[in-house]
This record gives sequence, structure tokens and C-alpha cells, in this order.
Amino acid sequence: GENVEQHPSTLSVQEGDSAVIKCTYSDSASNYFPWYKQELGKRPQLIIDIRSNVGEKKDQRIAVTLNKTAKHFSLHITETQPEDSAVYFCAAKGNNYGQNFVFGPGTRLSVLP
Amino acid sequence: NAGVTQTPKFQVLKTGQSMTLQCAQDMNHNSMYWYRQDPGMGLRLIYYSASEGTTDKGEVPNGYNVSRLNKREFSLRLESAAPSQTSVYFCASSEGFHTDTQYFGPGTRLTVL
Repeated sequence: GENVEQHPSTLSVQEGDSAVIKCTYSDSASNYFPWYKQELGKRPQLIIDIRSNVGEKKDQRIAVTLNKTAKHFSLHITETQPEDSAVYFCAAKGNNYGQNFVFGPGTRLSVLP
Repeated sequence: NAGVTQTPKFQVLKTGQSMTLQCAQDMNHNSMYWYRQDPGMGLRLIYYSASEGTTDKGEVPNGYNVSRLNKREFSLRLESAAPSQTSVYFCASSEGFHTDTQYFGPGTRLTVL
């Protein structure tokens, strides 16, 4: 089955700097890759996603890149702000029967003022 | 719209007790999911219902049962709670099963003594 690894597990950056979180997946049939943000004590919320027919997607300060050949995808946050501090989860899923969402273990991002 | 709602928010059980976690969504979504979240392990799928009338096991189904009561409601039952089931439980829903955005409920924090 699918296995998703995520690095780093913790990340501290200065306010205004960029943050990059990387995920790798094992199942080449996976074709949908969402990123979720979870603030302390809150529910996970989708911040951006990418499908396998595109290589990059941007939404204001957030971007995701996908390398299907290498089977990895990354979250990029530019001009970080203290409110970006949270745990970020990547996930992977395919369309085949039995392919469920598989989440990475999470990255705790701290943005230092 | 309330989105995805869960009850209760908190619960403490003794080993061997049973309980049912309730989940409802008002977005007319077809698919619903139950996850558990443990520190450092991300979200793991317990059971899912791809459409009304169907349920399937996820990654960690042992010790749990589910019921898709109707299109809106999806419950998770612990028949004989064990300390290993201490976790935060999230319900989620999506419009379709394949590569559709999942919306999460607020979570239930369960402690089994």
C-alpha cells in the first residue's frame, strides 16, 4: 500500500523567511496530493492541493510542486507570518479501489517573530 | 451551514466500556470517513463510507465498527474500549470518494483508562 514520508518533523523560521516541507510517496498510482494545516486543538483544514496532471500550483504565499518521476511533492510558504505556525500534513491518494488517503506524520512549523 | 459536526467533544471511558461517536454533515456529501490522530503519527483511516449504504475498512479498523445511518450521518462504535484507543477522533466528508477535498469535523478527544 501507499506510504507517505514527510520531512522535516519540526521547522523553525524567522518571520518573513520561507519554509519548505517535503513529502515522498511510494505508490506511483497516487494522483491527488493535498496539504492540510492544523492549528493547536483545531481540525485539519485544506490549504492547497495538486493533481498529477500539473507540476506546480500557487495560492498567494503558498505553493505546491510535484515531481511524479521522483514521487515527491513539496509545500512552499513565502513571507512567513506568526499565524503560519501550525502542524502541516501532506497526503496522497489514487483513484483505484482500495486507495485511500494516506497522510504523512506532520511537520510542526514555528514562525519566530 | 455547520459543515461537519461531531459529538461528544470529550469523553473518558474505563477499559471495557462501549460508546458511539456521532458525526453528521450538512453539505450533501456522498463520502464520509473516520480517522484517529495520535502524536507523531498523522491521521490514520479507521473506516470509510464511499457512498450511502456502503462501508469499508481503512488502515486501522480493529476494535471499531461503523454505521452509515443515512447520507448525513456516520457513526463510529467502540464495543469494548481499550487504553490503546486513547486518541483524537476526526470525522470527515467529501463530495465524492476519488480525489475530492475532505472537510473535517472538530474532533473528539477520547481517553480510555
